Amino acid sequence: AQSVTQLDSHVSVSEGTPVLLRCNYSSSYSPSLFWYVQHPNKGLQLLLKYTSAATLVKGINGFEAEFKKSETSFHLTKPSAHMSDAAEYFCVVVAGTALIFGKGTTLSVSS
Amino acid sequence: NAGVTQTPKFQVLKTGQSMTLQCAQDMNHNSMYWYRQDPGMGLRLIYYSASEGTTDKGEVPNGYNVSRLNKREFSLRLESAAPSQTSVYFCATTQTDTIRSRTFGSGTRLTVV
Repeated sequence: AQSVTQLDSHVSVSEGTPVLLRCNYSSSYSPSLFWYVQHPNKGLQLLLKYTSAATLVKGINGFEAEFKKSETSFHLTKPSAHMSDAAEYFCVVVAGTALIFGKGTTLSVSS
Repeated sequence: NAGVTQTPKFQVLKTGQSMTLQCAQDMNHNSMYWYRQDPGMGLRLIYYSASEGTTDKGEVPNGYNVSRLNKREFSLRLESAAPSQTSVYFCATTQTDTIRSRTFGSGTRLTVV
């Protein structure tokens, strides 16, 4: 069965420093994976997606994620955090016709 | 703007009351979904509709019913609201029920007292 685990419920960074949000997945076959972002009181927006093409996926707003099969990971990174990046981030794995959401990681950015 | 529209944005219900959450999309997508979001739980699928005229249960369907009125509209009904249904509800769509990302509405915040 497919599942996804976000390893940190809360990450705090300073503006201008790198961001790392960690996600491990479990899948019995080659997975499709997404990262979504949710800003306060907003809906969910797709950041990026991996569907078995390039293992390094670039998304919007400078985010990228690397699919590592050997580590069953799909961590989200950004070289330099901006205040507007403060939000909740969800790692998602496709399971048949369903999406399995992680429990979310709240990113706080301080000035 | 094209997208997914949910109404209402906020609602407070008393226990036992009923209500319908509305979702409409103008992207001509075939598949529509209802999720609920609870703190520390991520999003969980309530019901989905792979195409007009079909509906299927998701992970947490108990206490809910849905109607796929036409291709554009997919409503979620609470017949007898319970405090455990206090949540934020999101409607989402995708072109086909395959490995594709979803487009989400902005959510309905429901409180049951």
